[in-house]
Amino acid sequence: GESVGLHLPTLSVQEGDNSIINCAYSNSASDYFIWYKQESGKGPQFIIDIRSNMDKRQGQRVTVLLNKTVKHLSLQIAATQPGDSAVYFCAENRSGGFKTIFGAGTRLFVKA
Amino acid sequence: GAGVSQSPSNKVTEKGKDVELRCDPISGHTALYWYRQSLGQGLEFLIYFQGNSAPDKSGLPSDRFSAERTGGSVSTLTIQRTQQEDSAVYLCASSLELGPPNSDTQYFGPGTRLTVL
Repeated sequence: GESVGLHLPTLSVQEGDNSIINCAYSNSASDYFIWYKQESGKGPQFIIDIRSNMDKRQGQRVTVLLNKTVKHLSLQIAATQPGDSAVYFCAENRSGGFKTIFGAGTRLFVKA
Repeated sequence: GAGVSQSPSNKVTEKGKDVELRCDPISGHTALYWYRQSLGQGLEFLIYFQGNSAPDKSGLPSDRFSAERTGGSVSTLTIQRTQQEDSAVYLCASSLELGPPNSDTQYFGPGTRLTVL
């Protein structure tokens, strides 16, 4: 069935290294994708988004890549910092709809 | 400016009791969303409002769940006859507009942690 999922439940990286968090989706009708960061005890916080007419979008230290051919989304964090430790969710908005579907999340640990 | 606020931050109740959870969206945001997040899980969509109307209630898990929004602002999520499986964090989010092509960013509140004993 349709789903938004993550390849790895946890990711551990060394401070200063780059992090890559992956996400797979199965519905080619999805046209809007979002990454959220959720710190312990807080609600998700928007990081970056991308529409299906793009394959790459950059923000401050973050880059989202969209590969529609294989229905894959990734979040790259450059020079990962301890403050980046959190759970990261990918989410999709399906065309013509309003319901945002969230993946299960990946927990990122940053080792000092 | 002020973000999305939710109250209470924590709620402990006994099985069978009713609870009300409140969400104050960002001023001027027309769309409001409720999600449920179980421990270590992703977000489960419950319901959304555009203004005071709720076009889609399909995410509500049972008829014990209901929500309303008045004045296009504050929303309450009510759970009647709570069960232990209702224990979760209930998150509220708001955005300026609804759906593609606008797909405005959803801003989340801190959530209400509900524990049903």
